[in-house]
Amino acid sequence: DAGVTQSPTHLIKTRGQHVTLRCSPISGHKSVSWYQQVLGQGPQFIFQYYEKEERGRGNFPDRFSARQFPNYSSELNVNALLLGDSALYLCASSTRLLNTEAFFGQGTRLTVV
Amino acid sequence: SQQGEEDPQALSIQEGENATMNCSYKTSINNLQWYRQNSGRGLVHLILIRSNEREKHSGRLRVTLDTSKKSSSLLITASRAADTASYFCAPSNDYKLSFGAGTTVTVRA
Repeated sequence: DAGVTQSPTHLIKTRGQHVTLRCSPISGHKSVSWYQQVLGQGPQFIFQYYEKEERGRGNFPDRFSARQFPNYSSELNVNALLLGDSALYLCASSTRLLNTEAFFGQGTRLTVV
Repeated sequence: SQQGEEDPQALSIQEGENATMNCSYKTSINNLQWYRQNSGRGLVHLILIRSNEREKHSGRLRVTLDTSKKSSSLLITASRAADTASYFCAPSNDYKLSFGAGTTVTVRA
């Protein structure tokens, strides 16, 4: 079975630009979460979607947005990129909304220059 | 906060030795999970322990949870070079995982 797939794997953007990151969950998983991991730190929660609805949002500015599609894949959008947005963006899928293990993709390494 | 804090920040051990790392948190939880990350890539789920459990095993891994002290420990027995990685605890009482900065484990051959 395919695991969580994320695209692209690496991305370089200029300050002020917009970026879209994509995630395909494990087949049958209805929950997708997004995390940001800055170098040397643990992942920080950005969003969770379950059954195509936003169920949770972390402490991130409105420049960050996401959505989940009918096939449960998801996109994370970041507008007006800042240097501080440079990070590894991780997508995780799970079978349920609560109290269950998460399966992570390999991440998208975003560099803002 | 719900966020986990791992201790120590870094650990270096000889192959075959045991590695122990600890996690503390501040609020009530439904479960606590441990993850491993190799070379800054995706996280791999190791163990989920629920708030009503005290100990859980998976292969060479042993996890304990003490909700009265709001702490957890992860023991890796008979370590191998492949265990070299960063280990994160993630307390959870809802939909999100609250990771700490992790413990970096280096296993020397």
